[in-house]
Amino acid sequence: AQKITQTQPGMFVQEKEAVTLDCTYDTSDPSYGLFWYKQPSSGEMIFLIYQGSYDQQNATEGRYSLNFQKARKSANLVISASQLGDSAMYFCAMREGGINDYKLSFGAGTTVTVRA
Amino acid sequence: DSGVTQTPKHLITATGQRVTLRCSPRSGDLSVYWYQQSLDQGLQFLIQYYNGEERAKGNILERFSAQQFPDLHSELNLSSLELGDSALYFCASSIGGENEQFFGPGTRLTVL
Repeated sequence: AQKITQTQPGMFVQEKEAVTLDCTYDTSDPSYGLFWYKQPSSGEMIFLIYQGSYDQQNATEGRYSLNFQKARKSANLVISASQLGDSAMYFCAMREGGINDYKLSFGAGTTVTVRA
Repeated sequence: DSGVTQTPKHLITATGQRVTLRCSPRSGDLSVYWYQQSLDQGLQFLIQYYNGEERAKGNILERFSAQQFPDLHSELNLSSLELGDSALYFCASSIGGENEQFFGPGTRLTVL
């Protein structure tokens, strides 16, 4: 079974608007972490935001926020005030296990194209 | 710039050959992770090292091996290369095993 599901292969968003990227996950581990990464066309992977399973508040980092709904097992990324430089592939990832049995799973990614 | 360095940036080789990819983690990071990104498999976790010791294995083939040296740099060795091994190989580092990871720029391997 897929550990991380990103159902939107591609999205278009108008500059200055907000966009929500969906991510659902599957785990029976009570302790896990959720990550979002951005991969521009140049290829590097850029860490955006992290949410721990025990964190009470949704994570925010500048224009990025993570809408964490634990009961629904979803961890959607919201990008506010989109900029042209936000055009990239976005990956949701989940860490399970601890330092001795670490597993990291990635979704298939969502391509975001920001239009001027 | 994440602070993680990887060499070489590009590597072109032939089937059956062996290559070594090198990674230097961010200063202070003890954990190093290797990932493979290919068009058909997506991003896959290969292996993790923490302070010189192997800690976790993902979808790493037996033809592949890795190690982390006392100075904390890591090498990923790929042998008996096949066409399907062509991919972007990332190294990432973190302070420990649970924190956010910072990725290097990747090594693009092309097997001809």
